[in-house]
Amino acid sequence: DIQMTQSPSSVSGSVGDRVTITCRASLAISSWLAWYQHKPGKAPRLLIFAASSLQSGVPSRFSGSGYGTDFTLTITNLQPEDFATYYCQQAHSFPYTFGQGTKLESK
Amino acid sequence: EVQLVESGGGLVQPGGSLRLSCAASGFAFLTYSMSWVRQAPGGGLEWLANIKLDGSGTSYLDSVKGRFTISRDNAMNSLYLQMNSLRADDTAVYYCARERPVTTPFPTRYYFDYWGQGTLVTVSS
Repeated sequence: DIQMTQSPSSVSGSVGDRVTITCRASLAISSWLAWYQHKPGKAPRLLIFAASSLQSGVPSRFSGSGYGTDFTLTITNLQPEDFATYYCQQAHSFPYTFGQGTKLESK
Repeated sequence: EVQLVESGGGLVQPGGSLRLSCAASGFAFLTYSMSWVRQAPGGGLEWLANIKLDGSGTSYLDSVKGRFTISRDNAMNSLYLQMNSLRADDTAVYYCARERPVTTPFPTRYYFDYWGQGTLVTVSS
């Protein structure tokens, strides 16, 4: 199985900040990676697919990059509604696997 | 509007069974592959099973293979997860998710573009 490792496990920020979350795959997955936002009691939300493509309806302050084994989610101009847990997920092969999550908290 | 609504969760004893349902609306259900994903208390997201759009193929996480069965009824716009031999570590919120096909870059890969709100399964005596 492909292991997905996110860092950091938690990060704090203030409104207007820039935040970066990284995700590393245990083997090369091309650009077959997604990022999700998850708030307690809510459905997870797809933000980025194919490593860098923005899902429809997602604000442009979210962006993704990377290829192979190393990927990054960047949130610029942090907004109050962005405080949540973020997960990466590889779509390369079954079983699909997620990173352990990064909790973005208000500073 | 795309909607996925899970039901069927609850309290079950270890070794027991439960059948989860996911009612889909707002899109052509029969044209999408579907998955089940769960989140244990305090844990992250874990993919469990997938079924192709016509039900012709399924895939499972090893830890649930032989205990869980994913199925669908395209006439009823519904997805199911039959869970047998339940264990304490199956306690989680269970989500159904639609798989969006993305063809660029080739070959096609799938991403979870819509999710339900989840249904809680608690396995305890």
